[in-house]
Order: sequence, then C-alpha cells, then structure tokens
Amino acid sequence: NAGVMQNPRHLVRRRGQEARLRCSPMKGHSHVYWYRQLPEEGLKFMVYLQKENIIDESGMPKERFSAEFPKEGPSILRIQQVVRGDSAAYFCASSPPGLVYNEQFFGPGTRLTVL
Amino acid sequence: GESVGLHLPTLSVQEGDNSIINCAYSNSASDYFIWYKQESGKGPQFIIDIRSNMDKRQGQRVTVLLNKTVKHLSLQIAATQPGDSAVYFCAETLSGNTGKLIFGQGTTLQVKP
Repeated sequence: NAGVMQNPRHLVRRRGQEARLRCSPMKGHSHVYWYRQLPEEGLKFMVYLQKENIIDESGMPKERFSAEFPKEGPSILRIQQVVRGDSAAYFCASSPPGLVYNEQFFGPGTRLTVL
Repeated sequence: GESVGLHLPTLSVQEGDNSIINCAYSNSASDYFIWYKQESGKGPQFIIDIRSNMDKRQGQRVTVLLNKTVKHLSLQIAATQPGDSAVYFCAETLSGNTGKLIFGQGTTLQVKP
C-alpha cells in the first residue's frame, strides 16, 4: 500500500507565475489536508478537503490560494501569482473516513522556491 | 537530556541516554495528541498518539505523558540512538472537529555518538 504521494518534490517559480502542487492520498483515504511549513517552523494547517468538498479552509490565505479534491484524480493546491513569501514546504496528509480520532499520514512534501 | 517548553529548540544527548522532549499545547479542549518525527527533507512521521482520557501511553522505546492540568505533553525516548536524530513536533486536535492538527514549534534532537 503506497503512502501519500506528492509531486513535484521540488518546484521553482518566478514571481508572478502559478504553482500547482499535487497530492494523491493513501488508498482508501478520502480526507486530505494541506499544511505549509516555513523554514525552522512547525506545520501550519491550510485546508481540509473531502472528495469534491472543501470542509475547512480557515488556514488558507484569502487571495491567490485555492485547493480542490475532484472526484477523480489527485488533490491540487494552486497558488496564483506567487511571491517570495510563498517559498515553503507544502505537505499533504490523508486519513481514512469514519475515524473519530484522526491519525493523519503525511507525504514527503513539495518544496516551493520563488525566485 | 530534557528540553524545556518551546524555548529550547535543540536537545543534545549522548547515544544510549534517555531523551525527554516537552511540549505545551494551546487548547484546553483538545482531546487527541500526536508526536511526529521529521527528518531533514522528509514529511512528518507518526510516532505515537494519546487521547485525553489517558495520562500515559507506551510504544517501542517511546512513552508519551499527558498532563491536562497544565496542558503539557512530553515524549520520552529510551536508549536514544543516532537514528533518532530529527525534529520532533507535538500536534493537538479536537476529535469530531474538522480534524486539523495544530503543531508546536518543534525540538531538534541531536544524538552524539
């Protein structure tokens, strides 16, 4: 059973470009979470999605950031018009449905560098 | 060796010694806690969890202690090995909620051979 997969592992963008980060959850998992980690800091929650639904986006910046988890295919975190401050590691986690106590399994992350 | 709260970001211990990593969590309503290990360039890896109806839980070489009165969590690693070198994060969440995890700042554990 493959773990959570993220691609690309490293992404370099120039200011103003768009960044698309992909996450494929573990098999059988229908809950996806995105977190951002700045250097030397802990992970900060961004958004929680289930298939075709955004459940909690309280950690998402109001502008330029969006996320989706379509019925088919991976979850996508999209950052439009990137700025240097968006440089960070972005981690995706997944969990199975139906759990009350929510153990989340993390992917290896995408390291975004904005030039 | 022991870290104190979140203000001592690095803990250095001798191989074979026991390590204690501390964490102060923020929300008194949180009822589920997880310790993660993060090695350089990798994602967080689950170590051990504990629910708020417990004070202590043991795994293989690791023990988590929960003190709800002072909102304090600790991770004890017995016979620390070089492979334990990593950053350790505690995370809290509220069960039945959206499930989002709130992470602490992290403690870097360095194991000296």
